[in-house]
Amino acid sequence: QKEVEQDPGPLSVPEGAIVSLNCTYSNSAFQYFMWYRQYSRKGPELLMYTYSSGNKEDGRFTAQVDKSSKYISLFIRDSQPSDSATYLCAMSAIQGAQKLVFGQGTRLTINP
Amino acid sequence: SAVISQKPSRDICQRGTSLTIQCQVDSQVTMMFWYRQQPGQSLTLIATANQGSEATYESGFVIDKFPISRPNLTFSTLTVSNMSPEDSSIYLCSVAPGIEQFFGPGTRLTVL
Repeated sequence: QKEVEQDPGPLSVPEGAIVSLNCTYSNSAFQYFMWYRQYSRKGPELLMYTYSSGNKEDGRFTAQVDKSSKYISLFIRDSQPSDSATYLCAMSAIQGAQKLVFGQGTRLTINP
Repeated sequence: SAVISQKPSRDICQRGTSLTIQCQVDSQVTMMFWYRQQPGQSLTLIATANQGSEATYESGFVIDKFPISRPNLTFSTLTVSNMSPEDSSIYLCSVAPGIEQFFGPGTRLTVL
C-alpha cells in the first residue's frame, strides 16, 4: 500500500464548476500537508500549505485536512481554463516541508 | 520564495553513459533535494544534499548510481550514472528555505 493515495483521473469539468480533489494517507505521523499545481513541462508550484487539521482558504482555493480520517481535500471554486493542470498532494512529518511524500497527481481539465 | 534554475532542461542520452544535472538557487539554502518523476508517476525523493556533507539517500537509491555534489549553499549537481532506459524521467531539484518547499523546472531525460 502506498503511503499517499490520489486518484490520477483524468478529471474533466466545465468552466465555473466546483472541483474537489482528494488524497488519503496511511502514515499518522504526517503533520504538514501541501497541494502543488504542475503545468505541463513545468516544475510543481506550491498552492496551499496546511499544518495539522482544519481548513485554509486562499481566493478560489480551499484546503481541508481531516487527520482523524487521514483525508485531505482541495476545492477549487469558479474553476477557470487556466486551472487545467496536474494537482499533487504532498505530506511531511517533519517541520520545514522536508522529505515530502507525494500522491500520484490528478490531471484536471477545465473546459470553456 | 526561491527561484531555481536547472541545466540542461532536457537531454537524450545513450545507454551506458552518464549525465550531470545542475541546480542553481538565487539564495543560500541549507538543504537541497533531488526528486525523480517517472512518466505517469508522482515525485519520488532521491536524496537530500547538505552543503559540506555527504548526501542522504532514500531507500532504493544509491550513491554509485546517483552521485550528488553540494559545493556551496546555492548550487548542487546530480549525476545519473551508467544510464539505462529505465532512468528516463524528469529530475527535479527543490529547496525549503522555510516551511515551504519550492521546485525547479526539471530536467527531462530520455535514455535510448
